[in-house]
Amino acid sequence: DQQVKQNSPSLSVQEGRISILNCDYTNSMFDYFLWYKKYPAEGPTFLISISSIKDKNEDGRFTVFLNKSAKHLSLHIVPSQPGDSAVYFCAATRRGGSEKLVFGKGMKLTVNP
Amino acid sequence: EPEVTQTPSHQVTQMGQEVILRCVPISNHLYFYWYRQILGQKVEFLVSFYNNEISEKSEIFDDQFSVERPDGSNFTLKIRSTKLEDSAMYFCASHRGYEQYFGPGTRLTVT
Repeated sequence: DQQVKQNSPSLSVQEGRISILNCDYTNSMFDYFLWYKKYPAEGPTFLISISSIKDKNEDGRFTVFLNKSAKHLSLHIVPSQPGDSAVYFCAATRRGGSEKLVFGKGMKLTVNP
Repeated sequence: EPEVTQTPSHQVTQMGQEVILRCVPISNHLYFYWYRQILGQKVEFLVSFYNNEISEKSEIFDDQFSVERPDGSNFTLKIRSTKLEDSAMYFCASHRGYEQYFGPGTRLTVT
């Protein structure tokens, strides 16, 4: 039961260009969405989040867009840097309960110098 | 900056043995979690813990698993009788708001 889907397993971009990572969800009860970055042999690191009452949240080079009607969110990284190379996970939760995170399968981003 | 810590970083055990994975969450956080990631798969929720009791557990979290917060700082996951399929990275997480902060993980290898 894939409630959070990241359909592309990998993405390769040139340094300085935009990276766009996509995520879809099926559970309409989710009301908070998060992006995590993960390096090998480390835990997921929180990047940015967005509440379902917003359609955009920006933090430096990272912007998350939410399209509730399409149940779709995306993470934009501009400009991409080689240090951004990692696996990125989309996660979703429903606030007010246990607030467990439901993760997508992840996408490996490679930023080439 | 405060961070979640986990010990050990790697645990090797024989099938049928008990293991205890330890975590020290961020000190003013109120919600605690265990997740696991089997190699090549997604991160999966195991259990959440709030106010000294389990608030939710997944179907993976069967009678072989238990959690405890014995002393107000440590948060432990015990697997009573390990199986080969328990081999995975186990991550502890905590939060006070909505963003969960994860520890570096314990790699559990069951042989």
